Amino acid sequence: QVQLVQSGAEVKKPGASVKVSCKASGYSFIGYYIHWVRQAPGQGLEWMGWISPSSGAKHYAQKFQGRVTVTRDTSSSTAYMELSRLRSDDTAVYYCARTTDIVATGGYDYWGQGTLVTVSS
Amino acid sequence: QSALTQPASVSGSPGQSITISCTGTSSDVGSYNLVSWYQQHPGKAPKLMIYEVSKRPSGVSNRFSGSKSGNTASLTISGLQAEDEADYYCYSYAGSSTLVFGGGTKLTVL
Repeated sequence: QVQLVQSGAEVKKPGASVKVSCKASGYSFIGYYIHWVRQAPGQGLEWMGWISPSSGAKHYAQKFQGRVTVTRDTSSSTAYMELSRLRSDDTAVYYCARTTDIVATGGYDYWGQGTLVTVSS
Repeated sequence: QSALTQPASVSGSPGQSITISCTGTSSDVGSYNLVSWYQQHPGKAPKLMIYEVSKRPSGVSNRFSGSKSGNTASLTISGLQAEDEADYYCYSYAGSSTLVFGGGTKLTVL
């Protein structure tokens, strides 16, 4: 069965970086795009960016340009999202989600379980 | 890119129908039939309920339907059930390889 399994919760200090992993199984990793979405406590969902596991092409929301980097390792079917220069308002649950293309035509049909990143001094 | 506008909350009694609106602009909702809707229960990952404005994934109840007119998309839930109580988010392609979510709507089943 299709699964996206994310890495565990993280606690980071302001100014540090965090790298969240998303391991895919049960389907062809290179056949679907991985998008990253975050949700601050009690807040709504926020799109961050995407990566094509096949080509490595990527795109980020303007808000995160210069601070976020998404990568992938096809040998382990894993996507990564690294966020740098963390601030307290980066405290959120970070999700990876699978979709067929850049524009999420078919929606996000599978999601990771979420990774809580807490930024606190 | 600004978030799509949704009502903060809606409510309905069991068996009734409710509609959640999602208002964007001519640059996102109005330009593309690429609106999806997600249901999220507390502490859970979102679940896809509608994609491409009105298509339902396999396994999603036909009590859920979607539509669009101009810059506004809508999600209608008929025959409300207690299990429908959750947060609902709309989502649209916004051009230039970017996407945008709505602010979310809390549905309360009275």
